[in-house]
Amino acid sequence: QKEVEQNSGPLSVPEGAIASLNCTYSDRGSQSFFWYRQYSGKSPELIMSIYSNGDKEDGRFTAQLNKASQYVSLLIRDSQPSDSATYLCAVNMNTDKLIFGTGTRLQVFP
Amino acid sequence: DAGVIQSPRHEVTEMGQEVTLRCKPISGHDYLFWYRQTMMRGLELLIYFNNNVPIDDSGMPEDRFSAKMPNASFSTLKIQPSEPRDSAVYFCASSTTSGGPTDTQYFGPGTRLTVL
Repeated sequence: QKEVEQNSGPLSVPEGAIASLNCTYSDRGSQSFFWYRQYSGKSPELIMSIYSNGDKEDGRFTAQLNKASQYVSLLIRDSQPSDSATYLCAVNMNTDKLIFGTGTRLQVFP
Repeated sequence: DAGVIQSPRHEVTEMGQEVTLRCKPISGHDYLFWYRQTMMRGLELLIYFNNNVPIDDSGMPEDRFSAKMPNASFSTLKIQPSEPRDSAVYFCASSTTSGGPTDTQYFGPGTRLTVL
């Protein structure tokens, strides 16, 4: 079992819809969770971090964490073509390093 | 405020040659990470440093890979000899911890390495 798992996609949604990206992780003791966005040919950039169970909202982005189910998700409301990218889930498993998933490719079509 | 700086941005070399990748972390950050990204394996951590000291190099694939951090503002990743399977994008990232788990990692632009 991979430590951090994501569906590779592509996830295709129409402009204006809600995109839902999911991630599961193996270490129940994990404490911090991150979503990075990576445009093609560019470096990953942080868009959200979450540390506590529940929802955390930042503009059109909402991160959801459920530690009991070892599940973290990212919702993107009012999806725009500019949101088309690969979204990487990263988990800090009580060490100084992040374990990254392989990413979900999101395509938002007009 | 300058971000993480990497050089070169692109490197094309022939099998057997030595390759040196360079990274300057964000000033004040005490963690530095080297990653490799390929389509097949995604983003893999190779090694990371804390206060210039290597902490975990379990991701370094072989003895052909070595990394150093002689001071807080500079790190190198060296491959000697290089092989075609080393072709990938190599990212450097830095972060700071303030009393807790690893904080946000800021990535450099990456070095795209092609070994012919």
